[in-house]
Amino acid sequence: SYVLTQSPSVSVAPGETARISCGGDNIESKGVHWYQQRPGQAPVLVIYYDDSRPSGIPERFSGSNSGNTATLTITRVEAGDEADYYCQVWDSYSGHYVFGSGTKVTVL
Amino acid sequence: QVQLVESGGGLVKPGGSLRLSCAASGFSFSDSYMNWIRQAPGKGLEWVARIYIGASTIYYADSVKGRFTISRDNARKSLFLQMNSLRVEDTAVYYCAREGELRQFDYWGQGTRVTVSS
Repeated sequence: SYVLTQSPSVSVAPGETARISCGGDNIESKGVHWYQQRPGQAPVLVIYYDDSRPSGIPERFSGSNSGNTATLTITRVEAGDEADYYCQVWDSYSGHYVFGSGTKVTVL
Repeated sequence: QVQLVESGGGLVKPGGSLRLSCAASGFSFSDSYMNWIRQAPGKGLEWVARIYIGASTIYYADSVKGRFTISRDNARKSLFLQMNSLRVEDTAVYYCAREGELRQFDYWGQGTRVTVSS
């Protein structure tokens, strides 16, 4: 089955840029979606299909996908961005959905 | 606005059964693919099951196949998950989620907690 790999944690100072990576075999051939999950809350879609932003999501959130790595970038990080972030793809071979293990973003 | 409201969670013994429900509103439920996704305590998200429009096609994660059954009632705008032969490792918050056109989960419920323990 398809596997997505995320680093467990990222720490960033307020106002700086956070980059969260999601690795997978030839992931650039798949559409990658990203979710933010604050403690005790349900996940929220922040980027869909590599680089599109749902309405209501700040422009500070952006995405890219190339080769074997997709990246979620958060610029001008704020305290409210502290959360777990998950990448997700659809595995066309199995018909199943796959999530990465999640990255905890800590704002220093 | 879009709302997904799960219910039916609770405490059950290993080997027991539970039926989860998800009431949908604010969008065309009958035209939407729907999913169940779960999150064990302190763990990440795990996709559980997917049901197509009209229930013509259904997929399950290997971890629940043969024990869980996803279904839907379009007239009642409701999604269900029948969980049988429950195991301790099925303990999790269960979310229902709408699937968007690009296979993203664009709307989520608040989740319902299932605890499997003796």
